[in-house]
Parts: sequence; structure tokens; C-alpha cells
Amino acid sequence: ETGVTQSPTHLIKTRGQQVTLRCSSQSGHNTVSWYQQALGQGPQFIFQYYREEENGRGNFPPRFSGLQFPNYSSELNVNALELDDSALYLCASGKTGAGGNTIYFGEGSWLTVV
Amino acid sequence: GIQVEQSPPDLILQEGANSTLRCNFSDSVNNLQWFHQNPWGQLINLFYIPSGTKQNGRLSATTVATERYSLLYISSSQTTDSGVYFCAGEKNNNDMRFGAGTRLTVKP
Repeated sequence: ETGVTQSPTHLIKTRGQQVTLRCSSQSGHNTVSWYQQALGQGPQFIFQYYREEENGRGNFPPRFSGLQFPNYSSELNVNALELDDSALYLCASGKTGAGGNTIYFGEGSWLTVV
Repeated sequence: GIQVEQSPPDLILQEGANSTLRCNFSDSVNNLQWFHQNPWGQLINLFYIPSGTKQNGRLSATTVATERYSLLYISSSQTTDSGVYFCAGEKNNNDMRFGAGTRLTVKP
């Protein structure tokens, strides 16, 4: 148990549609990051939110967007879905500070685009 | 961005054997972690280890920050250790980069 929960666990979408994935962070954490993990690869950093603002972004197009709410829950939105967006999407929460930023992952949302 | 190289990519062990997994970074990192991903996709945090050595049961990790590498040791492996092991590091506290992972299979 990492204290990070994601929903939905599995979903199937059609190319061109939009999807929203949700994440509830561990209590006391102030950062939330989203990762995309394609089959057989390591997670790829999409972006991080800190105090409800984007605080770093990986090499993903603008159709990947996010929100962080005051209760540190978060959403990942993907517009105009493409077949290559099929992947496991992982949310991770952490706490910035002198001790670094140990992050804890949720169980992920498996997205299939057909 | 930082490049992370893990070796070996695949490892098959007999139950009870020991193993060492390695992670090299192209640049210095100030946040280095090891994770285990189970067959259902859950990533479990094993160690936060930007430098030094830590141990947790049969697992231990050592990071030599000046030489930009980290090692994960698994002793007396069990079938439940199977899965993919990832190392990850970040330089600027907001962009954690992962390696491609080491897929470990422990046979009974």
C-alpha cells in the first residue's frame, strides 16, 4: 500500500476521443507527477504539479494536460487520442524538502486506444 | 536530460541465488530511487539512495554518487522477487528519469 490511488484501473477509448485519468495523492504530499509506461519500457515523465501549477514537463505534446487540486488530487487529460497513447499511466506523489523527493506510485490506469 | 542505463536487461536465477543489478547515470543526480514493478504494474519503492549504502532485509543498495552509478543487491532470491527492477534519478527535483529496467525471473 503506497497511499496513492488511481482511477479508472482499465479503460478502452477510440482514436480521437478524450480521456481523463484521476489520482489521489498520499496524505501530506505536495507534488504529483504523471508517467506514461509503454509495454516493455520504463516510465516516461509527462509532467509534475506542485502547488497547483505545472512544475516541469517531459517531451509530451500539449494535448497532454493536467490539473492539481487543493487537496492534492490530480487529473491527467489527453485529447485527440492516438493509437500510440495506449499505455499504463502512473501517478506518483511526493514531498519536496530537505530529505529529497521520494515518490510513491499508484497502481496505474491501463489505457487502450483502438 | 539525464540518460539512465541499467544492466543486465534480463536475469534468470535459481531460487536462493544472489544477484547484483547496476544503474549508470549520464550526469549527477540528487534524487535516486530503486523500484520493483510487479506483474500487475504496481511500482514499489525499494530505496531512496542518492548516496551511500542501505539495507532492507535481503535487499541492499549502494550509490557512488561521484562515479554516477548505483547497485542493487538481492541475496537468497525468492520467486516473489520476480518482476522488473527500475532505477530512477532526477537532477532538478521535478523530472525523474527511469532506466529501461532489469527483468528478473527467479525459478523454484
